[in-house]
Amino acid sequence: SAVISQKPSRDICQRGTSLTIQCQVDSQVTMMFWYRQQPGQSLTLIATANQGSEATYESGFVIDKFPISRPNLTFSTLTVSNMSPEDSSIYLCSVGKLSTDTQYFGPGTRLTVL
Amino acid sequence: GDSVTQMEGPVTLSEEAFLTINCTYTATGYPSLFWYVQYPGEGLQLLLKATKADDKGSNKGFEATYRKETTSFHLEKGSVQVSDSAVYFCALSDKNYGQNFVFGPGTRLSVLP
Repeated sequence: SAVISQKPSRDICQRGTSLTIQCQVDSQVTMMFWYRQQPGQSLTLIATANQGSEATYESGFVIDKFPISRPNLTFSTLTVSNMSPEDSSIYLCSVGKLSTDTQYFGPGTRLTVL
Repeated sequence: GDSVTQMEGPVTLSEEAFLTINCTYTATGYPSLFWYVQYPGEGLQLLLKATKADDKGSNKGFEATYRKETTSFHLEKGSVQVSDSAVYFCALSDKNYGQNFVFGPGTRLSVLP
């Protein structure tokens, strides 16, 4: 498994601002993912964070709204840009390795947009 | 495409009751199957997994068996505790596409003392 931390754990933000969420893993991992979990809902994959190249976004998510960085094999950031109340969700980072088909999740960032 | 269906919640049980949460899946390949648990205010934790037909995953008293003939992976526990109150997610990973995960909608379990 892997130990994953996220910062911040929660935040309350104003409409129109941006928030950057950090994900740190205690070991090098092949794959890093960002998910959104809207209130009372299941998980929706936003994008796969690729080390040293642009992230791969899922349908309905765009780089201008959710820019992602992954400078090395243990760290990634997700920015939620120009926020609106509809962006209020839990944002989860997860990691995986090519040698296994399991994903491990961070504790999540609880975002409220007013 | 691949999909996961779970029984609708919420499920409310008394302590020491028997738990079953149904999960069925649709996949074109031979997926691995997972149960994740999300305790209040926390992220997802891997509860158990199975990678091929007839495999049984188990952890913390929970069990699930990979049934290829019925495309199911039902979660069971013989005697639930108040501390088991959480949301349970069934998921599959289609190994043909690496780490492509599909999650079910989640089932909220409340266990009353």
